[in-house]
Amino acid sequence: DQQVKQNSPSLSVQEGRISILNCDYTNSMFDYFLWYKKYPAEGPTFLISISSIKDKNEDGRFTVFLNKSAKHLSLHIVPSQPGDSAVYFCAASPFFGGSQGNLIFGKGTKLSVKP
Amino acid sequence: KAGVTQTPRYLIKTRGQQVTLSCSPISGHRSVSWYQQTPGQGLQFLFEYFSETQRNKGNFPGRFSGRQFSNSRSEMNVSTLELGDSALYLCASRLLTGTRRNEQFFGPGTRLTVL
Repeated sequence: DQQVKQNSPSLSVQEGRISILNCDYTNSMFDYFLWYKKYPAEGPTFLISISSIKDKNEDGRFTVFLNKSAKHLSLHIVPSQPGDSAVYFCAASPFFGGSQGNLIFGKGTKLSVKP
Repeated sequence: KAGVTQTPRYLIKTRGQQVTLSCSPISGHRSVSWYQQTPGQGLQFLFEYFSETQRNKGNFPGRFSGRQFSNSRSEMNVSTLELGDSALYLCASRLLTGTRRNEQFFGPGTRLTVL
């Protein structure tokens, strides 16, 4: 049973427009969420994170929104650039009395930004 | 600061053999987690070590084991290799304290092929 779901396997966006990547989770014990970007045959690169006590976190072109009641988060990239083309993973960290080193990942969304 | 390093980058083994992979975390990071990435299952947590002790374990058979040394470097071992163990093995490190303690930073991975 997938606890973190990225329902769109792929997304295609025009350069300069907004990219919106979505993620849903089922476990209310998750208290920290992260987005990673990954190129083939490389390790994931950390992009941005958000704690469950917040509903928005912004870093440059990247903004993550968290809707706890809907158990939904999204990553917005504005403006999108061709170099953003990669697979994006949503990950969640469960809280059981302390920080945990076991991130639970979604299956990823492949973003293609066309010039 | 140097990132997470993993050796070797590529490895080819045959069924029944064993393999040892190595990971050096970012300087100052005391926690090391290991993940397996396959096309079918995605990114899955194997285990986490800090203070030379295994702290969390994912749902993998006992053939998968690891250890951590006093300098925080970690190794993982897979014994009696099976074809299904072919995967990208990723190591990630994190701080254990502070507001960013849940953010994990990944190495480039070791691509293991079992023939």
